[in-house]
Amino acid sequence: AQSVTQPDIHITVSEGASLELRCNYSYGATPYLFWYVQSPGQGLQLLLKYFSGDTLVQGIKGFEAEFKRSQSSFNLRKPSVHWSDAAEYFCAVLSGGSYIPTFGRGTSLIVHP
Amino acid sequence: DADVTQTPRNRITKTGKRIMLECSQTKGHDRMYWYRQDPGLGLQLIYYSFDVKDINKGEISDGYSVSRQAQAKFSLSLESAIPNQTALYFCATSEGSSNQPQHFGDGTRLSIL
Repeated sequence: AQSVTQPDIHITVSEGASLELRCNYSYGATPYLFWYVQSPGQGLQLLLKYFSGDTLVQGIKGFEAEFKRSQSSFNLRKPSVHWSDAAEYFCAVLSGGSYIPTFGRGTSLIVHP
Repeated sequence: DADVTQTPRNRITKTGKRIMLECSQTKGHDRMYWYRQDPGLGLQLIYYSFDVKDINKGEISDGYSVSRQAQAKFSLSLESAIPNQTALYFCATSEGSSNQPQHFGDGTRLSIL
């Protein structure tokens, strides 16, 4: 069965600092991985996805994520955070034979000026 | 106009009332989903539908029912609302092929007194 862990419930960073949000998954084969962002009062929006190929994927809003099979991780990064990045971030995994993704519990990003 | 539209956006009602939340989409996607979001718990799948004649229970379907009236419409009903169904509800869609990301509405905030 597929599962996702986001170890950090909250992350606080200063504006302009770099960011890394952690995501670990559990699945035997190569999964399909997603990061979503949820701004206040809105639904989830896809930031990026990994299916295969290059393990470093670029997304919208300056985000990127790196798939590391050896660590079963798919961490989200941004080199310089903006105040507008304050939101809830969700990692999701989809196994090859499933049509239903499993979501992590989310990480709330707080950005200090 | 939003691709996935949920109505109402907010609803306050009393215990025992019947409530219907509606979702419509203009993306032409076959697959539609209803999720519930509670703080710290991420997204929990209530029901999903892969086409008009297909309805499937998710992990927390008790106390809920759904209707897929057309490819573009998927409604969620609470037959007799109870306070612990107070939550944020999201509708999502995805393409018919596997491993595609989901597209979310902006949610319905439901409070049951």
